[in-house]
Amino acid sequence: AQSVSQHNHHVILSEAASLELGCNYSYGGTVNLFWYVQYPGQHLQLLLKYFSGDPLVKGIKGFEAEFIKSKFSFNLRKPSVQWSDTAEYFCAASGTGFQKLVFGTGTRLLVSP
Amino acid sequence: GAVVSQHPSRVICKSGTSVKIECRSLDFQATTMFWYRQFPKQSLMLMATSNEGSKATYEQGVEKDKFLINHASLTLSTLTVTSAHPEDSSFYICSARGQGAGTEAFFGQGTRLTVV
Repeated sequence: AQSVSQHNHHVILSEAASLELGCNYSYGGTVNLFWYVQYPGQHLQLLLKYFSGDPLVKGIKGFEAEFIKSKFSFNLRKPSVQWSDTAEYFCAASGTGFQKLVFGTGTRLLVSP
Repeated sequence: GAVVSQHPSRVICKSGTSVKIECRSLDFQATTMFWYRQFPKQSLMLMATSNEGSKATYEQGVEKDKFLINHASLTLSTLTVTSAHPEDSSFYICSARGQGAGTEAFFGQGTRLTVV
């Protein structure tokens, strides 16, 4: 069965700390991977996506993620977080042709100033 | 990015009544729309996928007679929760994508439904 798991449900960091959020997937066939962010009171926004090619993907706002096929992982990273990064982060996967998305449970990130 | 507008953002209804939620793509033609449900502290669970002009495809366990989905135009899809009960209280989110392979899906802001 298709599934996405996120290991950290809540993360608290101080500003300037480095961030890494874990994401593992279980998906038959070719997989497309995504990270979405939901700021308080706002809708989901795409941070970055991986379809093929370079496994290190750079997204908006200084975020990046690395696709490691052997580990079935797509961890999200940012070298130095800001208070404005406080949000909920969702990892998601789909098959090719942008089929339905399967979401992880989300990680709430709180960055203290 | 493209804009998807969902309305209403919050609704409270009495048990037994029906509630309609609208999802509109404001600046692109949405060939496919997805409806999700999110329980507190849980992930988004896909309820159904709808393609314009076709019947929606429901996920296993989702009652299609209870959650009526209509995608009559390329810019509008509606979800109607019929004969709502308190257990239907949840956060409902729509997402829409346009034509073309690999096209990103854009999300509405969600609708908080409370059934009393």
